[in-house]
Order: sequence, then structure tokens, then C-alpha cells
Amino acid sequence: GDSVTQMEGPVTLSEEAFLTINCTYTATGYPSLFWYVQYPGEGLQLLLKATKADDKGSNKGFEATYRKETTSFHLEKGSVQVSDSAVYFCALSFLNQGGKLIFGQGTELSVKP
Amino acid sequence: GAVVSQHPSWVICKSGTSVKIECRSLDFQATTMFWYRQFPKQSLMLMATSNEGSKATYEQGVEKDKFLINHASLTLSTLTVTSAHPEDSSFYICSARQAGLYSNQPQHFGDGTRLSIL
Repeated sequence: GDSVTQMEGPVTLSEEAFLTINCTYTATGYPSLFWYVQYPGEGLQLLLKATKADDKGSNKGFEATYRKETTSFHLEKGSVQVSDSAVYFCALSFLNQGGKLIFGQGTELSVKP
Repeated sequence: GAVVSQHPSWVICKSGTSVKIECRSLDFQATTMFWYRQFPKQSLMLMATSNEGSKATYEQGVEKDKFLINHASLTLSTLTVTSAHPEDSSFYICSARQAGLYSNQPQHFGDGTRLSIL
């Protein structure tokens, strides 16, 4: 079945470090891909998305590129801040499945000053 | 825009009681709402998909009679945990998808409800 795999956390970085959180997917077809962020005690917020191959989603300094050849959607940020500390979820969905999201297991990011 | 309000944010109650959680889309119409359950430090598990005016579609392994879902309007869905027991304690999150031309509109999430059953 369709699935999403993320790198395990927690990831601990110093402020202004470069961030990469790996995400790969397994799917029959071409899903839309998403990154969501969850701050402690809150629901999820959409961070960015890409709907087709080679699309780049970007928001708040975060970027991810839909790579069909490697079935990946890695999240990157050039310089993280303490306020970026949260759990990041990669997810996919298909048009013909009513928008149902399949989530990866989440990666906790902790940024130290 | 695209705000989803979930209420209550935290509820503590005795074993055997029923608890209702509301999910409202405040500034858009949501033809579809989703209910998730999240265990500590784990991912979200989809429990059910609800479409306005029709019965909810439950994921495999989710008890329909235990988790009652109603989606009576385009802005409100409710999840009722009936006869709750300690094992039902969890973080419940709803999301809503905007009505629109493209069925793959992104979901917008509520802030979740932490349910603790004593």
C-alpha cells in the first residue's frame, strides 16, 4: 500500500544551522505531497505542498522539491531558528481518494540557541 | 483564512461518560472533514472521513459505535466518544477540506482535543 517514510528524530541543531529532513514515499501513481508542522500541544499547520513532479513548494524559508525519480520530498531550510522547533510530518494524498492524507511518522526538530 | 476551530481543547472525565468534540470551519465551507487520533510522539491515525449530509466512512479497526461522527452542516462536524474508558485517552485532531473545483484541496487542521479518561 501507499506509505511515507521520514528520517527518525529527534534532530537537534544549533540556531542558524542547515536543516534537511528526509522523506520518501511509496505509491502507485503520482500523489500530491505535503509537509505539515505541529507545535507542542497544537494541531497541524500546512507548511508547503507540491502537486506534480519537479514542483518546488516553499514557505517561511522552508523548501521541498517533488522528485519523482527518487520518490522523495526532502524538507530543507538554510538557517533554522529556535522558533522552528516542532514536529514535522510529510504526507501524501491522491485526487481520487477524496483528499485522504497518509502521514509519515513525524520528525521532531529541536533547535538550540 | 481557512481557520478550523476545535472544541474543547482539553477534557477530563470519568470512565463511562460520553464526550462530544466539535470541529468547525470558521471562514470556509468544508464538504469533507477528517478525524484523527494521535498517540504521544506518534503520527496521526485517520479514524474516519465525514462528508456533509452522509454517513461517515470509518477506517479499518475503528469502532463505529464507539466513535460517533456527525457532519450535519458544511461548517460543523462532531465526534462523540461513547462510554469512554481510559484506553480512549488520546489527542484527537480534526481537519477540514474546502469545497472547490479540485478535490485535492489541502486539509486545514484544528488545534486538537486532549481527552483524558480517569
